[in-house]
Amino acid sequence: DVKVTQSSRYLVKRTGEKVFLECVQDMDHENMFWYRQDPGLGLRLIYFSYDVKMKEKGDIPEGYSVSREKKERFSLILESASTNQTSMYLCASGSSNQPQHFGDGTRLSIL
Amino acid sequence: EDQVTQSPEALRLQEGESSSLNCSYTVSGLRGLFWYRQDPGKGPEFLFTLYSAGEEKEKERLKATLTKKESFLHITAPKPEDSATYLCAVLRFYGNNRLAFGKGNQVVVIP
Repeated sequence: DVKVTQSSRYLVKRTGEKVFLECVQDMDHENMFWYRQDPGLGLRLIYFSYDVKMKEKGDIPEGYSVSREKKERFSLILESASTNQTSMYLCASGSSNQPQHFGDGTRLSIL
Repeated sequence: EDQVTQSPEALRLQEGESSSLNCSYTVSGLRGLFWYRQDPGKGPEFLFTLYSAGEEKEKERLKATLTKKESFLHITAPKPEDSATYLCAVLRFYGNNRLAFGKGNQVVVIP
């Protein structure tokens, strides 16, 4: 079974802090994705990566950056956290033409 | 721009009362359509992939079908454990491996 592991289920941070969310997959997938999910807005793509050190912006990249130094690991960085970044963050991985597989999410609260 | 519309947004069913969820899509060249199930506080769990019109997939009480404009997820004789949000996503032929998600069908099955 595909396993996508997100480092934290719940996280509370302060406004202005730099926040790191980590994601690891064990299936050697070339593609990895970061989404946020908010009530009424559905899943929105923040960034994705199709190879090590490669990244592309999704629909809502402002205020975020990403890092992919190893194939199995994809990190999402909130450069200076703000209250409007309080959300559920979901990481996914997949191969071309195949379904994406998701982690269980990190519920992030910015106070 | 790719569009995915799911209806109804919310559905309450009596246990054993069969029903169908709809996913209408507009995409320039469909490479695949995916159905996911999401339980509260968890990441989406992959259910089915459909690649071409006329294709059908089944798993327990769930059956997914695909036409050129829409997909249906039929729930036959549902049980309370089928309560979840069901997400539909499309992958297009041209471009990268980004999915376009609908906002989901929230299903509650009452015993």
